[in-house]
Amino acid sequence: DAGVTQSPTHLIKTRGQQVTLRCSPKSGHDTVSWYQQVLGQGPQFIFQYYEKEERGRGNFPDRFSARQFPNYSSELNVNALLLGDSALYLCASSLGPVSYEQYFGPGTRLTVT
Amino acid sequence: RKEVEQDPGPFNVPEGATVAFNCTYSNSASQSFFWYRQDCRKEPKLLMSVYSSGNEDGRFTAQLNRASQYISLLIRDSKLSDSATYLCVVTYNNNDMRFGAGTRLTVKP
Repeated sequence: DAGVTQSPTHLIKTRGQQVTLRCSPKSGHDTVSWYQQVLGQGPQFIFQYYEKEERGRGNFPDRFSARQFPNYSSELNVNALLLGDSALYLCASSLGPVSYEQYFGPGTRLTVT
Repeated sequence: RKEVEQDPGPFNVPEGATVAFNCTYSNSASQSFFWYRQDCRKEPKLLMSVYSSGNEDGRFTAQLNRASQYISLLIRDSKLSDSATYLCVVTYNNNDMRFGAGTRLTVKP
């Protein structure tokens, strides 16, 4: 039973660049949520996608966008990177948008220099 | 004031000790409550849900007090493997999960 997978595991970018992070949900799950975790803090909710539609959005600027594909995988895009975007980006999947049993992937560690 | 507040710790306890973590939340419209566990440089994993009636899972007991907007987690007979960061989670609007910053626990032999 494949769990949540994310790629890449690590990424280094420079300010102003754009980045795309990828997530494949746990087998059988149809909902993907994205979180940003800065060192020493808990994860902060960015987006939730279900049925290829955005079902929730946290307090993040428009530089952050995401989409979900027919196979339920998802991409998170961040444009015009800032130093403050350096964080661990976590993807979590669940069965349905109101299921609170979320399974997290190992995350993508993004460093912006 | 943060939406979900936790004592960051660290809590350093000997094996076999009982330790309790507290969490307060500010939004009275909060719907569901959880404790997650996060090991160093790993992803968070659901530990248990929290209900007003209280719930117990082995050595772990969670409690919710809606009137005081307060959640607790009690760990009895601590094991070395309990060393981790414990994240308090509050949800509302059905899909918006708010995490606390976490409480770090180290259990020592």
